Amino acid sequence: DAGVIQSPRHEVTEMGQEVTLRCKPISGHDYLFWYRQTMMRGLELLIYFNNNVPIDDSGMPEDRFSAKMPNASFSTLKIQPSEPRDSAVYFCASSFSRHGQETQYFGPGTRLLVL
Amino acid sequence: AQSVTQLGSHVSVSEGALVLLRCNYSSSVPPYLFWYVQYPNQGLQLLLKYTTGATLVKGINGFEAEFKKSETSFHLTKPSAHMSDAAEYFCAVSSKVGKLIFGQGTELSVKP
Repeated sequence: DAGVIQSPRHEVTEMGQEVTLRCKPISGHDYLFWYRQTMMRGLELLIYFNNNVPIDDSGMPEDRFSAKMPNASFSTLKIQPSEPRDSAVYFCASSFSRHGQETQYFGPGTRLLVL
Repeated sequence: AQSVTQLGSHVSVSEGALVLLRCNYSSSVPPYLFWYVQYPNQGLQLLLKYTTGATLVKGINGFEAEFKKSETSFHLTKPSAHMSDAAEYFCAVSSKVGKLIFGQGTELSVKP
């Protein structure tokens, strides 16, 4: 299996621009998670989906952030408009079922820099 | 509410020495506990996990961790450090609800 695939791997944009991050989970996994990693705040869960349905978006920082999962093999995280404080590494992870004990498999991350 | 505290943001050991990375957790329900490793510019990779049963858990690359309920700890150890162990290590806790809560991470350096 190819693992969790994220694109782009790096993104540099200017403040105010729209940014779209993409994720392809492992085939057969029914949970998908979006995380953000910064030096100041560490790893934060932004939102997660089960069977393509958003379950908990309490970690989404504000309305500028939105996430969708139109089908089982694709998800996007969009920031509009972007701000310098959004600079971070964004990880997508997936797992099969969710009773708390299942391993989450992480993608390589998208390193975002907003100038 | 659940939380994780990793003691020491940076640990340095000599090659061949014991590795000990400390993790304490707080959970109002029986926890599931995880250790993940992150190599530079990569995503997180599972080292080991405790769900139920045996409290001493063995993982990949010679690492192991022991769940101690009385101490609310889940420390990670490896008898002999290798240069390739240099990375950042994250302890995480989950409940049946399934949300993973990560600690702040411990960066491990290995000196030749």
